[in-house]
Amino acid sequence: ETGVTQTPRHLVMGMTNKKSLKCEQHLGHNAMYWYKQSAKKPLELMFVYSLEERVENNSVPSRFSPECPNSSHLFLHLHTLQPEDSALYLCASSQGLTWGHYGYTFGSGTRLTVV
Amino acid sequence: LAKTTQPISMDSYEGQEVNITCSHNNIATNDYITWYQQFPSQGPRFIIQGYKTKVTNEVASLFIPADRKSSTLSLPRVSLSDTAVYYCLVGDNEGSGNTGKLIFGQGTTLQVKP
Repeated sequence: ETGVTQTPRHLVMGMTNKKSLKCEQHLGHNAMYWYKQSAKKPLELMFVYSLEERVENNSVPSRFSPECPNSSHLFLHLHTLQPEDSALYLCASSQGLTWGHYGYTFGSGTRLTVV
Repeated sequence: LAKTTQPISMDSYEGQEVNITCSHNNIATNDYITWYQQFPSQGPRFIIQGYKTKVTNEVASLFIPADRKSSTLSLPRVSLSDTAVYYCLVGDNEGSGNTGKLIFGQGTTLQVKP
């Protein structure tokens, strides 16, 4: 366990479904991130939250909707996804919006399959 | 963030020392060099970070020449469990007021064979 917990670990959803991914950290960090990793591709930064405010949205389609109710929790709400959205979705946290000397702490990810 | 270049893949055998070199010709004065390891279906994990010369921890060593335009991650006596993707990242770890975002490249896929 890294201190960043993601649920569920695996998710299969239809294109018309609505689902949510959850991320929780108890490291006392105040910044949280969503990354997407498609097969054979580098990690893509999707959203950045600092002190529960969204500070970056990297041109992500509106079918992905993040929510950060407090500094310990981050959600990614999904609706009307496409098969190409199938990927590993990774959550990370950090103390401040910097790498620090230990970078980000990542969760184990949610493997999403859209059918 | 400075661009990095590293080999796409490497093969090794159990018990060997593995050296993965990363080029970062445009590294800035305030930039640090950080390496991450990622196993399949898991998030990346911090391995080691350095600024210059040599850094060693319980997992790996990082060699950085004086010009800092490259760095080499050294994994001693690898085992099958070291099969993973290794990412080299370069940037200002204090952020300098900017979001010091971790931007990952393709990484190096290390395959350790028995």
